[in-house]
Amino acid sequence: KQEVTQIPAALSVPEGENLVLNCSFTDSAIYNLQWFRQDPGKGLTSLLLIQSSQREQTSGRLNASLDKSSGRSTLYIAASQPGDSATYLCAVRGFKTIFGAGTRLFVKA
Amino acid sequence: DTGVSQNPRHKITKRGQNVTFRCDPISEHNRLYWYRQTLGQGPEFLTYFQNEAQLEKSRLLSDRFSAERPKGSFSTLEIQRTEQGDSAMYLCASSPWEGDPSSPLHFGNGTRLTVT
Repeated sequence: KQEVTQIPAALSVPEGENLVLNCSFTDSAIYNLQWFRQDPGKGLTSLLLIQSSQREQTSGRLNASLDKSSGRSTLYIAASQPGDSATYLCAVRGFKTIFGAGTRLFVKA
Repeated sequence: DTGVSQNPRHKITKRGQNVTFRCDPISEHNRLYWYRQTLGQGPEFLTYFQNEAQLEKSRLLSDRFSAERPKGSFSTLEIQRTEQGDSAMYLCASSPWEGDPSSPLHFGNGTRLTVT
């Protein structure tokens, strides 16, 4: 049974800091991994999708990496801004799609 | 295309009442998913459709829950005899089916259900 863990559960950083969010999973038989952002009371906005054959994907200040063999993915956010404050969720997509509980990020101005 | 649309955004109901939510997926997306999310948790899978066929249902989907997708377009999720434990955000997602499961999921803004 796939289990997905996100660490840390919450993070508060000053504006401008670079930061790393972690996602680990127990079953490496996955098709892809998708990172989402969720603002309070809203749905999920897709940030990046990494196929199982890929090592990383980049979009603007975001970079996501995937290491299937170790069951890990990281989301790197460069030069964080107050507008980045949200919950970040990873979804591990295999036979079933399993979400982590998310990392709540607060970027202080 | 305006993305995945869910209605209503919020629903407050009394215990024991029936509620129905609607999801309009991105046009031409033939896969449609329903998830439930409680505070501080990630979304949990409820069910999904490939066109009009409901292909899988989670054990979370008790017999009080029913979902339909007539004609393979919009979908409805009905909860009968609501309980306070049903209070959650109900999320709908869609994706194109391109012969493999690697297509990204696109989510709506959800329906927040509060059962009093």
